[in-house]
Amino acid sequence: AQTVTQSQPEMSVQEAETVTLSCTYDTSESDYYLFWYKQPPSRQMILVIRQEAYKQQNATENRFSVNFQKAAKSFSLKISDSQLGDAAMYFCACYTGNQFYFGTGTSLTVIP
Amino acid sequence: GAVVSQHPSWVICKSGTSVKIECRSLDFQATTMFWYRQFPKQSLMLMATSNEGSKATYEQGVEKDKFLINHASLTLSTLTVTSAHPEDSSFYICSAITGYTYNEQFFGPGTRLTVL
Repeated sequence: AQTVTQSQPEMSVQEAETVTLSCTYDTSESDYYLFWYKQPPSRQMILVIRQEAYKQQNATENRFSVNFQKAAKSFSLKISDSQLGDAAMYFCACYTGNQFYFGTGTSLTVIP
Repeated sequence: GAVVSQHPSWVICKSGTSVKIECRSLDFQATTMFWYRQFPKQSLMLMATSNEGSKATYEQGVEKDKFLINHASLTLSTLTVTSAHPEDSSFYICSAITGYTYNEQFFGPGTRLTVL
C-alpha cells in the first residue's frame, strides 16, 4: 500500500524567514511523482511544486524548493522569505498507479 | 494553465433530496477525473476515479448507489448524492488529469454541501 505521512500538523514561521515542512512516503513502485499542494482558506488546491522520482536534482520554484531523499523516501518543502500569503494548509502527495495519495496536511501560519 | 470548474460552489438541501455536482474541464480534455471528499481540517479522501465512457471505480467504503458518478464526456463528470442526509455534509472536490500531463491533476474549486 502507498502511504504519505506528514508528521507536523501545524507549523509557524516569522515573515521573511525560512520554514521546512516534512513529508515521508512509502511506495513499492519504481515510477512515481511527488507533489506539494497548497490549500488556502478559499480551499482551492494549488500546485506548489512537483518532483519526478527519476530525477536526482531537487525541484525549485522561486521561493519554494524541495529536498528529495529517495533512499530515505523523504520529500520536504522549504519555503524561503515567507510571506503572509503563504499561510495555508500544505499537502504532500504521491502519484503512482494512476492514483494520488495525500498526506494529512500541515497548517502553516505566517507571523507578521 | 488548465482550468477545472465546479458547479454549484455551495448548496444547501433538505434531508432526503438528491444533489448533483458538476465538474468541467474548461480548456482541455480530461481522460480521468477524481472525486474527493474533505472534512474540516482534514486531508482529501478519494471517493472514486472516473474515466470517460466507463463506469467509475469507487474506493472501499464508498457507496456507489449513494454517490452516483457519470463521466459522460471528456469535459464533464457529475457526482450525484442521492437521498442526502446530514452526515453527507462535506466539501467535495473534483480534479482532472489529461492524457498529456497524466501525472498532474488540476483541481476544481470545490463544492460545499450542507444537508439540513
